[in-house]
Amino acid sequence: EDQVTQSPEALRLQEGESSSLNCSYTVSGLRGLFWYRQDPGKGPEFLFTLYSAGEEKEKERLKATLTKKESFLHITAPKPEDSATYLCGGGATNKLIFGTGTLLAVQP
Amino acid sequence: DGGITQSPKYLFRKEGQNVTLSCEQNLNHDAMYWYRQDPGQGLRLIYYSQIVNDFQKGDIAEGYSVSREKKESFPLTVTSAQKNPTAFYLCASSISPGFTDTQYFGPGTRLTVL
Repeated sequence: EDQVTQSPEALRLQEGESSSLNCSYTVSGLRGLFWYRQDPGKGPEFLFTLYSAGEEKEKERLKATLTKKESFLHITAPKPEDSATYLCGGGATNKLIFGTGTLLAVQP
Repeated sequence: DGGITQSPKYLFRKEGQNVTLSCEQNLNHDAMYWYRQDPGQGLRLIYYSQIVNDFQKGDIAEGYSVSREKKESFPLTVTSAQKNPTAFYLCASSISPGFTDTQYFGPGTRLTVL
């Protein structure tokens, strides 16, 4: 069964404390791994698309990486404004499976 | 500014009523999607449309209907047959059809059944 699992469900960090969020997937025929940021009561905001194992993309304090089984979203020296829910999704030809998200709280 | 708009932001429905959620995009994207988001669950696909005048059921289409008469618009009707419609509804679009292209989301509509 196709599945995307995100861990941890929730993460609390101090400002400046770097960490990683995990997205494990079993999506047959995966052709794209997507990361989004979602603030409460708002729609998901696109962050990254990764297409092949070994690919990495960066944006400000965020860096996404992809292997054949999982993707990581690394957050370097986070700030309180990075607090949000981070969603990942695995896309194949006829489906896009989303995980349930990681709720990140960054305390000043 | 290009983007996706959804209206209304909040919607209240009485039992037995049909309601329609609006979704408009000015990105010139071919494909549009409707998702439902519930606490503790991943986004679930309701319907999608790859081209004008064509749409397909997603994983949870029962109790919902859509139309795609214009490229820019993809309204979703929540019918009285939907047993548990209270949720956050998200519309998305992508440049090309299929699920391997990046999807961009609108701001969402929160539907509450009274």
